[in-house]
Amino acid sequence: DQQVKQNSPSLSVQEGRISILNCDYTNSMFDYFLWYKKYPAEGPTFLISISSIKDKNEDGRFTVFLNKSAKHLSLHIVPSQPGDSAVYFCAASGHNFNKFYFGSGTKLNVKP
Amino acid sequence: EAGVTQFPSHSVIEKGQTVTLRCDPISGHDNLYWYRRVMGKEIKFLLHFVKESKQDESGMPNNRFLAERTGGTYSTLKVQPAELEDSGVYFCVSGRSSTEAFFGQGTRLTVV
Repeated sequence: DQQVKQNSPSLSVQEGRISILNCDYTNSMFDYFLWYKKYPAEGPTFLISISSIKDKNEDGRFTVFLNKSAKHLSLHIVPSQPGDSAVYFCAASGHNFNKFYFGSGTKLNVKP
Repeated sequence: EAGVTQFPSHSVIEKGQTVTLRCDPISGHDNLYWYRRVMGKEIKFLLHFVKESKQDESGMPNNRFLAERTGGTYSTLKVQPAELEDSGVYFCVSGRSSTEAFFGQGTRLTVV
């Protein structure tokens, strides 16, 4: 039973525009959320995280928003660049857990 | 600092054969996890070591899978005998805490 879901398998965006990747979770005990970026033939690399005590965390072009009541988080990339083209995974964990729960990923294609 | 290293990067074996995957975590990381991604689905938890002890192996599919972490350093994951449904990308992840996860590049296992 998947506790973290990314319902959009793919997203295509024009260079310079905003990319919005969405993630939903079911377990209200999750209190820590991460986004990972994965290029082909490489392992996922950490991008940005957010704790449940916050509703927004920003790092350069990347911002993660957390809506606890809706059990929803999103990753915004502004402006999008062709090098951002990759698969993005959402993950959830927390102090009550000893593992991470991942979504199935969203493949982002940023067109030049 | 060396990252998480996995060997081999790719393995093709016949159904019924045995395969052993190896992971060298980042030095000093007590937490070591094995995850698997099958056919574009979510990255799924297999098991978690803290040093040499198995903390959680609830994600192991069945008793054909055996993981070890002798001496609390590198880890191996053996599949014996391999079945077609075992095909996928196996990721090793290490971290210093339950909110930290560094991925290896993965081992792509293909069972034919």
